[in-house]
Amino acid sequence: SQTIHQWPATLVQPVGSPLSLECTVEGTSNPNLYWYRQAAGRGLQLLFYSVGIGQISSEVPQNLSASRPQDRQFILSSKKLLLSDSGFYLCAWSSTLLKGNEKLFFGSGTQLSVL
Amino acid sequence: LAKTTQPISMDSYEGQEVNITCSHNNIATNDYITWYQQFPSQGPRFIIQGYKTKVTNEVASLFIPADRKSSTLSLPRVSLSDTAVYYCLVGDKGTYKYIFGTGTRLKVLA
Repeated sequence: SQTIHQWPATLVQPVGSPLSLECTVEGTSNPNLYWYRQAAGRGLQLLFYSVGIGQISSEVPQNLSASRPQDRQFILSSKKLLLSDSGFYLCAWSSTLLKGNEKLFFGSGTQLSVL
Repeated sequence: LAKTTQPISMDSYEGQEVNITCSHNNIATNDYITWYQQFPSQGPRFIIQGYKTKVTNEVASLFIPADRKSSTLSLPRVSLSDTAVYYCLVGDKGTYKYIFGTGTRLKVLA
């Protein structure tokens, strides 16, 4: 069965510090991978998605970046965090077998507080 | 821009049937409609998916009219544990990009 791992669960970082969140998927190959962010009490904002190694699509201009160094690994990074980067970060994956009826499977999320 | 429109919030009482409607006027021919449930501090989880007419599983039913421009999630006999945010989701013109709308915050009252 497929599983998705996301860590850390919580993170407190000072303004201006770097960030690295990692997500890995097991039990499937060539998944589509996604990073979403959710501010407190708000909806899910799509940040990045990837359909293959090295292929990253950015949805929101910001000081965040994403990388996919391996097929089932997705990394969210920042060189200098801003207060506005605080939020709940979720990684998700979907299959690529048939376009149209994919289901998204989410990790447990990382609660990031930038102080 | 989000591809879906839902009511922001709904209240219901335990034991009642709840129907949440989602509008997706620009749904692509190949796209399915998928509904997710999210509890606080958790990732959304899949509830049900359909293409047209009616789909039923052990937790919900999904009704999709012939024009597929809307869909209705039906939760039978809700309980307090069904209090959550519910999202409907469609793809972006047949791509792999999935943009969530605001979702519907369902509150079940005793």
